[in-house]
Amino acid sequence: DAKTTQPPSMDCAEGRAANLPCNHSTISGNEYVYWYRQIHSQGPQYIIHGLKNNETNEMASLIITEDRKSSTLILPHATLRDTAVYYCIVKAGANNLFFGTGTRLTVIP
Amino acid sequence: GAVVSQHPSWVICKSGTSVKIECRSLDFQATTMFWYRQFPKQSLMLMATSNEGSKATYEQGVEKDKFLINHASLTLSTLTVTSAHPEDSSFYICSAKRGGAGYEQYFGPGTRLTVT
Repeated sequence: DAKTTQPPSMDCAEGRAANLPCNHSTISGNEYVYWYRQIHSQGPQYIIHGLKNNETNEMASLIITEDRKSSTLILPHATLRDTAVYYCIVKAGANNLFFGTGTRLTVIP
Repeated sequence: GAVVSQHPSWVICKSGTSVKIECRSLDFQATTMFWYRQFPKQSLMLMATSNEGSKATYEQGVEKDKFLINHASLTLSTLTVTSAHPEDSSFYICSAKRGGAGYEQYFGPGTRLTVT
């Protein structure tokens, strides 16, 4: 599975949009981009995933560049409860999820 | 939907004893379950993958005789830490996946194990 690169930490003001970048320049054509988050001392929570089209659900939006070498997770109106470590994972089909170090997002009041 | 539970949520045991952790998919049938371990301030590390009715596949460096995994049904997998030592103290997290290549994994809340 392709490796991903994320900034180690980010801050976001409460109520503003949080934009979390992820680079996956070696992604293959059959690999999906998944986003999970982990709030302190809890199990990871699935957020969203996509292949090449932008995706949106009740939690977030996922923007994937046309060349698929990077993506951005957007939390449209960040709240304090969105403070967590966000993991961007690239994997193909039924392959396992392997977690990197993620981005620690801190939402500031 | 897609709720995964773990029991217990935390456990303290003495060195040399064994501890069993249960992982259940509450509202779906999980053909595959996964066990992860997470040390403080570190990311999740996959320990093993188990398919219902077959032996688990362990990641490199994980002792299969120490971490016994049983996936006896489509809704239950268990992880038994045998002869636990203080270095086994960690946060153990399971996840479950429905059948099919595209289904995401759903994670349990984790079990905090402390070995004294």
